[in-house]
Amino acid sequence: SAVISQKPSRDICQRGTSLTIQCQVDSQVTMMFWYRQQPGQSLTLIATANQGSEATYESGFVIDKFPISRPNLTFSTLTVSNMSPEDSSIYLCSVASDKGYNEQFFGPGTRLTVL
Amino acid sequence: EDQVTQSPEALRLQEGESSSLNCSYTVSGLRGLFWYRQDPGKGPEFLFTLYSAGEEKEKERLKATLTKKESFLHITAPKPEDSATYLCAVQDTRSNYQLIWGAGTKLIIKP
Repeated sequence: SAVISQKPSRDICQRGTSLTIQCQVDSQVTMMFWYRQQPGQSLTLIATANQGSEATYESGFVIDKFPISRPNLTFSTLTVSNMSPEDSSIYLCSVASDKGYNEQFFGPGTRLTVL
Repeated sequence: EDQVTQSPEALRLQEGESSSLNCSYTVSGLRGLFWYRQDPGKGPEFLFTLYSAGEEKEKERLKATLTKKESFLHITAPKPEDSATYLCAVQDTRSNYQLIWGAGTKLIIKP
């Protein structure tokens, strides 16, 4: 399985600011995903990021709030814009196995606290 | 509507006390069912994929089984290091990649 790293691992931010989270994979992958996991909750898919195309956002998530870049097959960024305390969560990137897009493998996550 | 329900929400066991976690699902067609382990403050770690009823997979003290309506994660003679939240997710045949996640079972193994 792919090795996935995320930066930063954690951050504490002020209300109204923005944070960009980086996701790096050690191999080329077609599909990358960004999830949010609020405290004590399960995972919620924010968007799917394919290289060379616009990200596809799930219901309740918009590009202005969560802009995503996917410049190549090993890297993606998620920006959390104009943050509020409700954005405090763990943000996770994952990649799908290229064998039929079944299993997903996750990065270590970015723990974001907004004051 | 596609749905995944995990039970119990939390389970406390003594070291060596075997038990099972349940994942029941409702989908129009099952492409795959996935089990993950998540330690506090970390990303989910992939454990198993099950594709069809009757399938079983094992890894160390864990065995996952699948029926047409639910999956069980059996843990045999657990150790404290097995303490984690175990997540179940399913993929519908109508989806190429989207996973429907359960809320997880928090497993605590006491020494």
